[in-house]
Amino acid sequence: GAVVSQHPSRVICKSGTSVKIECRSLDFQATTMFWYRQFPKQSLMLMATSNEGSKATYEQGVEKDKFLINHASLTLSTLTVTSAHPEDSSFYICSARESQVQNTEAFFGQGTRLTVV
Amino acid sequence: DAKTTQPPSMDCAEGRAANLPCNHSTISGNEYVYWYRQIHSQGPQYIIHGLKNNETNEMASLIITEDRKSSTLILPHATLRDTAVYYCIVQTGANNLFFGTGTRLTVIP
Repeated sequence: GAVVSQHPSRVICKSGTSVKIECRSLDFQATTMFWYRQFPKQSLMLMATSNEGSKATYEQGVEKDKFLINHASLTLSTLTVTSAHPEDSSFYICSARESQVQNTEAFFGQGTRLTVV
Repeated sequence: DAKTTQPPSMDCAEGRAANLPCNHSTISGNEYVYWYRQIHSQGPQYIIHGLKNNETNEMASLIITEDRKSSTLILPHATLRDTAVYYCIVQTGANNLFFGTGTRLTVIP
């Protein structure tokens, strides 16, 4: 089946630094990818929709200058957490659907656990 | 996209069928019902989806009521590895998925 690969799976960074998370669709093309954040014991919260070749669409309350999204190709989207702070520590998950196919399932990456110290 | 309501938690004995309900009374005619699950510290895993007919695959069965206002996910023979949070989501097209709180299923030995 289709696979979405997310890297890294875990990262620890110092407060004030930036962290980049990659999301790749390995065997299909994805015009659109989605980024979620999940805090302990909570559900997934959609942060933004990543659109290939254009600007991402951010959900209300998500700072676009802090969470930079780049979707440079049909198989790769990146999320950069800029000037990270301890409150940004969370589980970040990406997902993708195959382009041009309606009503099909979304595939999720394995997630990235970010710890800001 | 329509909202869903699920019980927060359920237990199931190992080897028995797990029946997870979901209410989606405001579902519209072109919205599909999707089920995903999330095992601790992993990304969600797709299970099954359907529009109005019942569906079955190697993982589970999905029973959708005739009025489409509710559905049930059935794991026919639950194993310990099926312990997870199960999410029922209704949406249409290629839209993003909005996750509710889901049902935490615990399979008991």
